[in-house]
Amino acid sequence: GQNIDQPTEMTATEGAIVQINCTYQTSGFNGLFWYQQHAGEAPTFLSYNVLDGLEEKGRFSSFLSRSKGYSYLLLKELQMKDSASYLCAGADSNYQLIWGAGTKLIIKP
Amino acid sequence: IAGITQAPTSQILAAGRRMTLRCTQDMRHNAMYWYRQDLGLGLRLIHYSNTAGTTGKGEVPDGYSVSRANTDDFPLTLASAVPSQTSVYFCASSPASEMNTGELFFGEGSRLTVL
Repeated sequence: GQNIDQPTEMTATEGAIVQINCTYQTSGFNGLFWYQQHAGEAPTFLSYNVLDGLEEKGRFSSFLSRSKGYSYLLLKELQMKDSASYLCAGADSNYQLIWGAGTKLIIKP
Repeated sequence: IAGITQAPTSQILAAGRRMTLRCTQDMRHNAMYWYRQDLGLGLRLIHYSNTAGTTGKGEVPDGYSVSRANTDDFPLTLASAVPSQTSVYFCASSPASEMNTGELFFGEGSRLTVL
C-alpha cells in the first residue's frame, strides 16, 4: 500500500532550528512535496524534491533520500508565524499525491 | 488576483439534501482537484480533472460527482448528503499536464456540516 508517515506534533523555541521528518511508501515515485497550512487556512506550497539532496529556500530547506524513502523539512531561525501544520506528500507513478496527516508545529517564545 | 475561489465558505446541511460546492479559478490551469480534509487524516482526493471535458475518480469518490464543462469551473455535488461527509473541502488547481505533477494552488476551503 501507499503511505506517508510524519510526526503528529512538534514543539520548538523561537529562533531555534527544527527538523520535520517524513517517510514515504508510494507505488512508483515522482517527487516529494512539502506544504504549510496555518489553522483554518488553505495549504500553501513550500518545496518539491525529485532528486536526492538538499534544496534550500531562505529559512526553509528540504532534503530527499530516495533510497531510504525519507525526506525532511528544516526550518531555521524560527518565528512565531511558523506555527502551522506541515504536510508531506509523495507523488506516485500516476502523478497522484499521497498526503501525510501533517505535523503540527508549535513555536514557543 | 483571485486565484481559486470556493463557495460557500461554510454550510450546515440536513442529511439527504443535495449540495453543490462551487470552485472557480482564473489562472487557466489545466488540472483541478477536490480534496476533503478530516482531523488526523491526510488530504484525500475525491475527484480530479486533468483538462476541461475530462474527470476521474480519486481515493474517496463515493457519494460525490463532478463536472468540468470549461477550464475555470469545477463544481462538486453531493447528491444526498450523509453525516460522514462532514468535512472541510478544498478545491485545488495545477498548471501541470496529465503526466506531470506541478505545484497545487488551493482555495480557502468549504466547511460542510451534515446533520
